[in-house]
Amino acid sequence: DIQMTQSPSSLSASVGDRVTITCQASQDISNYLNWYQQKPGKAPKLLIYDTSNLETGVPSRFSGSGSGTDFTFTISSLQPEDIATYYCQQYNNPPYAFGQGTKLEIK
Amino acid sequence: EVQLVQSGAEVKKPGESLKISCKGSGDSFTSYWIGWVRQMPGKGLEWMGIIYPGDSDTRYSPSLQGQVTISADKSISTAYLQWSSLKASDTAMYYCARQNGDKGGAFDIWGQGTMVTVSS
Repeated sequence: DIQMTQSPSSLSASVGDRVTITCQASQDISNYLNWYQQKPGKAPKLLIYDTSNLETGVPSRFSGSGSGTDFTFTISSLQPEDIATYYCQQYNNPPYAFGQGTKLEIK
Repeated sequence: EVQLVQSGAEVKKPGESLKISCKGSGDSFTSYWIGWVRQMPGKGLEWMGIIYPGDSDTRYSPSLQGQVTISADKSISTAYLQWSSLKASDTAMYYCARQNGDKGGAFDIWGQGTMVTVSS
């Protein structure tokens, strides 16, 4: 099975900061990498699919990059409403594992 | 607008059986894979498995195979997740979600979640 490792597991940043989360796959997954946002008490929400494609309606301050085993998720200017936990997910081979999550807090 | 509506919260005792549901509205329910995702209290997301309601082709996470059964009834646009004998460790929030092959296989539409509590 492919393992997904996210870092950091938690992150504290100020409004307006640039925030970066990384996700590493245990083997090559090409660009089959998705990112989700989950706010407390809510279902996850798709933000980015296929590494870098923004889901409809998602603000352009969110972006993704990478290929193979190393991927990056970026918020260019952190907003208060971005407080959430973020997960990566691979879609190369089942089981389509998620990363362990990165909890983002406001400093 | 496509929606997935899940059945309500459940409180069960260890050893009991349970079947929770996920009903799709809108068109094309049988044209997408539907997945189940577990989230144990205070923990992350865990991919459990997927089903293609059109022909009931099913894939399971190896760690959960044999522990749960995923099924679907395409005539009523509903997918199911069931247990034959619940354990306390099955206590979790369970989400169904639509897997969209046009979006990298991502789960693009999610149900609201079903909380399952197993306690004696």
